[in-house]
Amino acid sequence: GAVVSQHPSRVICKSGTSVKIECRSLDFQATTMFWYRQFPKQSLMLMATSNEGSKATYEQGVEKDKFLINHASLTLSTLTVTSAHPEDSSFYICSVPIGQGVYFGPGTRLTVT
Amino acid sequence: TQLLEQSPQFLSIQEGENLTVYCNSSSVFSSLQWYRQEPGEGPVLLVTVVTGGEVKKLKRLTFQFGDARKDSSLHITAAQPGDTGLYLCAGGRSSGSARQLTFGSGTQLTVLP
Repeated sequence: GAVVSQHPSRVICKSGTSVKIECRSLDFQATTMFWYRQFPKQSLMLMATSNEGSKATYEQGVEKDKFLINHASLTLSTLTVTSAHPEDSSFYICSVPIGQGVYFGPGTRLTVT
Repeated sequence: TQLLEQSPQFLSIQEGENLTVYCNSSSVFSSLQWYRQEPGEGPVLLVTVVTGGEVKKLKRLTFQFGDARKDSSLHITAAQPGDTGLYLCAGGRSSGSARQLTFGSGTQLTVLP
């Protein structure tokens, strides 16, 4: 069964609005979660590392004020896309390291109109 | 700069054929993971290899980690249409954030009935 869930699976929003995406680790506590984005027919690009109890670590080129990450508990991390633009439209995926593996959520398709 | 190069990028074969996907890097990784991703879904972990020279089998799939832990291969025997998908290799590093992954460029496999 799934070990990581994401909500919502799809969201459409208007330019200038903010959208929150949730990532939950089911049955496992996670002090670290990762957020990726994926454009069509491309591989995954790491955006940031979400750390429970401390600030997120952002990859070079990712605006921390635009992509707000909050690791609210050991099972929940949220990614908020603020003042969304059409170029933010993408597939956003979170992952959770469990044991030797890293497990991914089902992804969230964001479309900004 | 793509740290992990996958080849081939696209592969279309007939049902019953064998195939090999390669994942190469000039960097050493502490672990190597293989995922399969279908459209609109998150990547699903197939296997994790951690020891140089390690070989793991998952039904018709055989995974090998290079002796120097810089490369890996995925071999599929008697491919079936259900094997169709995007195959991603991902290297993990022991330094830095726990199990932060660097993804390969991906191999899109299509198995024709």
